[in-house]
Amino acid sequence: ELKVEQNPLFLSMQEGKNYTIYCNYSTTSDRLYWYRQDPGKSLESLFVLLSNGAVKQEGRLMASLDTKARLSTLHITAAVHDLSATYFCAVDPLYGNKLVFGAGTILRVKS
Amino acid sequence: KAGVTQTPRYLIKTRGQQVTLSCSPISGHRSVSWYQQTPGQGLQFLFEYFSETQRNKGNFPGRFSGRQFSNSRSEMNVSTLELGDSALYLCASSLDAFTGELFFGEGSRLTVL
Repeated sequence: ELKVEQNPLFLSMQEGKNYTIYCNYSTTSDRLYWYRQDPGKSLESLFVLLSNGAVKQEGRLMASLDTKARLSTLHITAAVHDLSATYFCAVDPLYGNKLVFGAGTILRVKS
Repeated sequence: KAGVTQTPRYLIKTRGQQVTLSCSPISGHRSVSWYQQTPGQGLQFLFEYFSETQRNKGNFPGRFSGRQFSNSRSEMNVSTLELGDSALYLCASSLDAFTGELFFGEGSRLTVL
């Protein structure tokens, strides 16, 4: 059974600092997603990583995928308060839109 | 471009009742999948439909069922509701299984009393 582990589960950081969220998964897959969720809201797609070595950047967020290590990272650069949210990674091992989600990382950016 | 629309957004039911939730995908998308989100279990896959056929099913009891219509709209039904069914039910739409991006609706928040 595929397991997806995120760490840390909770991250409190100061504005302007950098940090990385890690997503490990237990079986082979080269399809990984990052989503953002604000309280009481739905999931907003951030990145879709579809191959080994894929790197995508949007604003202060950059995501990468290493399928050999079964690891994805979400790097936050110079955090701002607006980035406060819960971030989920998800893996789709069967290419059938059957995503297995991590537990989520609650990010709080303090000014 | 309209997004994924889910109705109703909020509903309250009592134990033993049944509920039907609806999802209209983005125009042109043929795959609809459903997820349950709870504080204890997180986000869990329920089922996925493509061209009116259920292609994948998660690990949920038979009380949870779904279907997809020819216009790609989908419904899910939960019968004999239990307290533990209280959750946010999210629908996601995708062009198909190969494009690699799912777009989620705002969800239907179900409370079972």
